Amino acid sequence: GENVEQHPSTLSVQEGDSAVIKCTYSDSASNYFPWYKQELGKRPQLIIDIRSNVGEKKDQRIAVTLNKTAKHFSLHITETQPEDSAVYFCAASLSNDYKLSFGAGTTVTVRA
Amino acid sequence: NAGVTQTPKFRVLKTGQSMTLLCAQDMNHEYMYWYRQDPGMGLRLIHYSVGEGTTAKGEVPDGYNVSRLKKQNFLLGLESAAPSQTSVYFCASSYVGRDTQYFGPGTRLTVL
Repeated sequence: GENVEQHPSTLSVQEGDSAVIKCTYSDSASNYFPWYKQELGKRPQLIIDIRSNVGEKKDQRIAVTLNKTAKHFSLHITETQPEDSAVYFCAASLSNDYKLSFGAGTTVTVRA
Repeated sequence: NAGVTQTPKFRVLKTGQSMTLLCAQDMNHEYMYWYRQDPGMGLRLIHYSVGEGTTAKGEVPDGYNVSRLKKQNFLLGLESAAPSQTSVYFCASSYVGRDTQYFGPGTRLTVL
């Protein structure tokens, strides 16, 4: 199955600064890459996703980039705010599969 | 719409006891999933279903069984609980594969 590695495991940023989380995947056949945010004690929720036919996708302060050649994708959060503090999970799915393989998660702390 | 609900929210078992976790969704989704979440290990897929009456193994299926007798319900069973099954269990559903997964609130299970 797919193997997804996520870095860093923890990230502390000053409010207003940017945060970047990077994930790598092993199977070049993967073509769907979602990102989930999980606030403390809550359920994971999708914040953005990208498919392999595009290289970048933006939604307000959040963007995801995909490099298929290098088999990595990244989450970018600009102008971070305290409510961005959470655990972020990347995931990948093969084109012929229904399952998601998740990274281990990144705990983001935004310092006021 | 209630979305995805899970029963119970918390449970403490003794080693060797059995229990069933219930997941219900009211979004008419075809796909349903059971994950476990352990510190530093992300979300790991236990079993999943691509439609009523179907089930399949995920990444960590040993010690668990599932059933999908009705489209809206997905049951996860532990026949003989072990301390290694202490975890937070999340159910999720999606309309199709490689699409947004909607998670339930989670069940925190402790096996003594």
